[in-house]
Amino acid sequence: QSVLTQPPSASGTPGQRVTISCSGSSSNIGNNYVYWYQQLPGTAPKVLIYRNNQRPSGVPDRFSGSKSGTSASLAISGLRSEDEADYYCAVWDDSLSGPVFGGGTKLTVL
Amino acid sequence: QLRLQESGPGLVKASETLSLTCTVSGGPISSSSYYWGWIRQPPGKGLEWIGFIYYSGGTKYNPSLKSRATISVDTSKNQFSLKLTSVAAADTAVYYCATPGLGFGELPPDNWGQGNLVTVSS
Repeated sequence: QSVLTQPPSASGTPGQRVTISCSGSSSNIGNNYVYWYQQLPGTAPKVLIYRNNQRPSGVPDRFSGSKSGTSASLAISGLRSEDEADYYCAVWDDSLSGPVFGGGTKLTVL
Repeated sequence: QLRLQESGPGLVKASETLSLTCTVSGGPISSSSYYWGWIRQPPGKGLEWIGFIYYSGGTKYNPSLKSRATISVDTSKNQFSLKLTSVAAADTAVYYCATPGLGFGELPPDNWGQGNLVTVSS
């Protein structure tokens, strides 16, 4: 049982826009920065979004993040086949005094 | 840019101690990051924070591990290590070392090693 709640799966066709949600509480999302990771099979998670909506250098602007209250979202526009991966949200939890993660969303590009 | 690399055995017997090391390159471990942490991912499952050691030397662990984890640092080798005692099949996972590099503070990690699969055998 993950502290942050994500839908287990999402899908879209090439060129579409998809969003993935992440729900938490006042002790985590409500009070701290949300991060989003992309994990391709057999590889380590790679950060796509940090501090709610910032992209590290090299991450395409097709990826965007937002946060409102105790929920956050990752949006992927212009969907591509190479976007097929697992996506995780993460945030610092003040009660746990450590980072917590969502259960992950498997994105399928149809 | 800091780089992290895990090393250690891929197979551990049940009830024994799992030991992994993370070697940091690209900067001194004593001051380059707010914390140095370990995260694991059981096969086909999500990510779980194990614990971390602060740049100041203090440590923090996930209570779910019931005091089985110990993280230490060796500044002379620019490495930090994880020991997990009394392992069981449920501890089979890919173990990642990770650190926050895009900020200094209580933030999720953004810089990860490539991972080390550890299988617990009975």
